[in-house]
Amino acid sequence: GEQVEQRPPHLSVREGDSAVITCTYTDPNSYYFFWYKQEPGASLQLLMKVFSSTEINEGQGFTVLLNKKDKRLSLNLTAAHPGDSAAYFCAVSAPGGYKVVFGSGTRLLVSP
Amino acid sequence: EAAVTQSPRNKVTVTGGNVTLSCRQTNSHNYMYWYRQDTGHGLRLIHYSYGAGNLQIGDVPDGYKATRTTQEDFFLLLELASPSQTSLYFCASSGGQGNNQAPLFGEGTRLSVL
Repeated sequence: GEQVEQRPPHLSVREGDSAVITCTYTDPNSYYFFWYKQEPGASLQLLMKVFSSTEINEGQGFTVLLNKKDKRLSLNLTAAHPGDSAAYFCAVSAPGGYKVVFGSGTRLLVSP
Repeated sequence: EAAVTQSPRNKVTVTGGNVTLSCRQTNSHNYMYWYRQDTGHGLRLIHYSYGAGNLQIGDVPDGYKATRTTQEDFFLLLELASPSQTSLYFCASSGGQGNNQAPLFGEGTRLSVL
């Protein structure tokens, strides 16, 4: 079945720096891709969704890139601030049943 | 407002105990999921369902049963709880297609098995 590897498990940056989190997946037929943010003690909140093609989606201070050829998904925080400190998870929706598989997460710490 | 509600929020039981975790969604979603979250493992899928009466096995199903009684309600059952099942459990729902594909999560249930 689908396997998702997320790197790095921990990331520490200074305010204003960029931060990049990457996920690789195994099933070339995977169709939907998501990024979630989890603040300490809280549930998971959807950050961004990307569908089925090489594309760049931009949100509030971050960019998501999907490369289906390499089976790679990345989240790039362009100018991190302390409020971005949280755990981030990628998720991949496998075909044939809407099973959603998550990466193991990245704990991001942004210091002033 | 669309929501996923889990109960209880915290539960302590003993080894061998019987535990039921409940989840209700008001999103009119077809898909519902149970995940467990453990440090170093992210979220691991236990069971999921695409409608009342349906059950699909996830990646870590051993020791867990699940039932989907209605479109809204999905239950996770631990009939002989073990300390290895101490974890944070999340329920989620999704519409299953297009813009409704992203799972929406409940607030979680923290379970301790002593």
